Amino acid sequence: DQQVKQNSPSLSVQEGRISILNCDYTNSMFDYFLWYKKYPAEGPTFLISISSIKDKNEDGRFTVFLNKSAKHLSLHIVPSQPGDSAVYFCAASAEFYKYIFGTGTRLKVLA
Amino acid sequence: NAGVTQTPKFQVLKTGQSMTLQCAQDMNHNSMYWYRQDPGMGLRLIYYSASEGTTDKGEVPNGYNVSRLNKREFSLRLESAAPSQTSVYFCASLQTSVLYNEQFFGPGTRLTVL
Repeated sequence: DQQVKQNSPSLSVQEGRISILNCDYTNSMFDYFLWYKKYPAEGPTFLISISSIKDKNEDGRFTVFLNKSAKHLSLHIVPSQPGDSAVYFCAASAEFYKYIFGTGTRLKVLA
Repeated sequence: NAGVTQTPKFQVLKTGQSMTLQCAQDMNHNSMYWYRQDPGMGLRLIYYSASEGTTDKGEVPNGYNVSRLNKREFSLRLESAAPSQTSVYFCASLQTSVLYNEQFFGPGTRLTVL
């Protein structure tokens, strides 16, 4: 049973516009959430995280929103750039050391 | 700092063969992880080690064993490889801080089992 779901396998956005990537989870015990970016033939790299005590966290062009009642988080990238084209994974943790990842969304930013 | 290193980068095995995937980190992190990535399945946790001397099963541990050799090294062993274990394997270590926790990933090992 997939506890962390990314229902959109792919997304295309024009350069300069907003990219919104979504993630849903089923385990109400999750209290820490992260987003990772992955380029082909490389390992994932950390982007941004949010604790369940917050509903928003910003870092430059990246903002993560958490809606605990809906068990939903989203990553906003504004403005989108061609270098943002990659696969994005959300991940969640209920136990301090154990992280569960979603299936990923491939973002393509069109120049 | 090399970060997280994995060897080998590529490997082809025949069904039934065994092999060990090596992982090392030089960031003095306590926790280390093994994931596999398959198309449409995302990253799935195989095993993790919260600290030196401990290991725990993740989501998909069957067919694998791990050893936390010391604080730096965490190896993954396939005793009898099966075609279903064809995948890309990623090792990671965890940096913890007051502000946030972050996993650092290695470049991956692409394994094909024929």
